[in-house]
Amino acid sequence: GENVEQHPSTLSVQEGDSAVIKCTYSDSASNYFPWYKQELGKGPQLIIDIRSNVGEKKDQRIAVTLNKTAKHFSLHITETQPEDSAVYFCAASYAGGGADGLTFGKGTHLIIQP
Amino acid sequence: DTAVSQTPKYLVTQMGNDKSIKCEQNLGHDTMYWYKQDSKKFLKIMFSYNNKELIINETVPNRFSPKSPDKAHLNLHINSLELGDSAVYFCASSQGQHGYTFGSGTRLTVV
Repeated sequence: GENVEQHPSTLSVQEGDSAVIKCTYSDSASNYFPWYKQELGKGPQLIIDIRSNVGEKKDQRIAVTLNKTAKHFSLHITETQPEDSAVYFCAASYAGGGADGLTFGKGTHLIIQP
Repeated sequence: DTAVSQTPKYLVTQMGNDKSIKCEQNLGHDTMYWYKQDSKKFLKIMFSYNNKELIINETVPNRFSPKSPDKAHLNLHINSLELGDSAVYFCASSQGQHGYTFGSGTRLTVV
């Protein structure tokens, strides 16, 4: 089955700086890579996703890059703000025709220092 | 207007009891899921279900069983609760691979 590794487990950055979270996956058949943000006491919320036919995607201050050959993908947050503080999860999925779910990384606790 | 709603939000119960968690989605999605988040925040899929098949994660004890009365609902039944079942359980739904949406979670505490 799929295995997703995520690093770092904790990331502390100064407000206004950039943050980068990296993930690797094991199954070359995976073709969908979403990123979720989870705030305390809430469910994970999708913030951006990328499919295997695309190398990069941006949405305002958030961007995701995908290297299919190396089987890794990264989340980039620029101009960080206090409200970016949360736990971030990467995930991978394969649309094999059945009811496939997401395999998650273990999460990164992002702390924005004022 | 909640897209994926699950009840209850908190559930405290004694070992050995049987309990259920309900989940409903109003997104018209064709697939629903249950995920377990342990104390270290690790999210792991337990079940995925659409109108064609139920996929069970092989690590899930058979004390856990999903029940789907219709496309919009996937309830989770747990028999003979154990201390190790304490966790946050999330329901989610998607349309194929699109639009995975999670509920706000049910914190289960077994005492």
